[in-house]
Amino acid sequence: EAQLVESGGGLVQPGGSLRLSCAASGFTFSSYTMNWVRQAPGKGLEWVSYIGSSSTIIYYADSVKGRFTISRDNAKNSLYLQMNSLRDEDTAVYYCARDSRSYYAVDYWGQGTLVTVSS
Amino acid sequence: QSALTQPASVSGSPGQSITISCTGTSSDIGGSNYVSWYQQHPGKAPKLIIYDVSNRPSGVSNRFSGSKSGYTASLTISGLQAEDEADYYCSSYTSTVVFGGGTKLTVL
Repeated sequence: EAQLVESGGGLVQPGGSLRLSCAASGFTFSSYTMNWVRQAPGKGLEWVSYIGSSSTIIYYADSVKGRFTISRDNAKNSLYLQMNSLRDEDTAVYYCARDSRSYYAVDYWGQGTLVTVSS
Repeated sequence: QSALTQPASVSGSPGQSITISCTGTSSDIGGSNYVSWYQQHPGKAPKLIIYDVSNRPSGVSNRFSGSKSGYTASLTISGLQAEDEADYYCSSYTSTVVFGGGTKLTVL
């Protein structure tokens, strides 16, 4: 069974930085494209970033472009999100999410890690 | 990257059927058959219940069904049960993913 476990969330001041990690297990991580999706408190889901299986294709939401950097280490079965210049509106639970290889949808989600941006 | 439009809330009684709509544009739902639906219970991660407009992943109840017409996708839940009470999100997958704003389903 696939498993995704996020870590690295916490409280950070506006303008600060944070690096999220996602440890993958139970599947061949290097064969899957991955995403970060976030959910502000009481709000809906917002797609944040996408990375191809070999890191050659990367996309960002306009709201984070230029501030966030997605990366992965297939040897360590890990996905990362480097978040810089954080703003109050970045406060959210951040989910690591795997794309299905059989169809166009996210088929596995982690439990999420909470990032709170506040002074 | 505008969000897809869903009703904020719907409700139904046990045993009834409800339908949640999801409206987009020609750039997402109208131009793609890659529409999916997710169920999210409070404090939990989302769960995929429909992919490619109308297909169910293994293990998802056949009480959940999906369809699409033009720029609007729909999720129908038949034989409502108490455990169906949750938030539901539609999604369209083009080169990136766009989600709907979410619909809170209340089982009366």
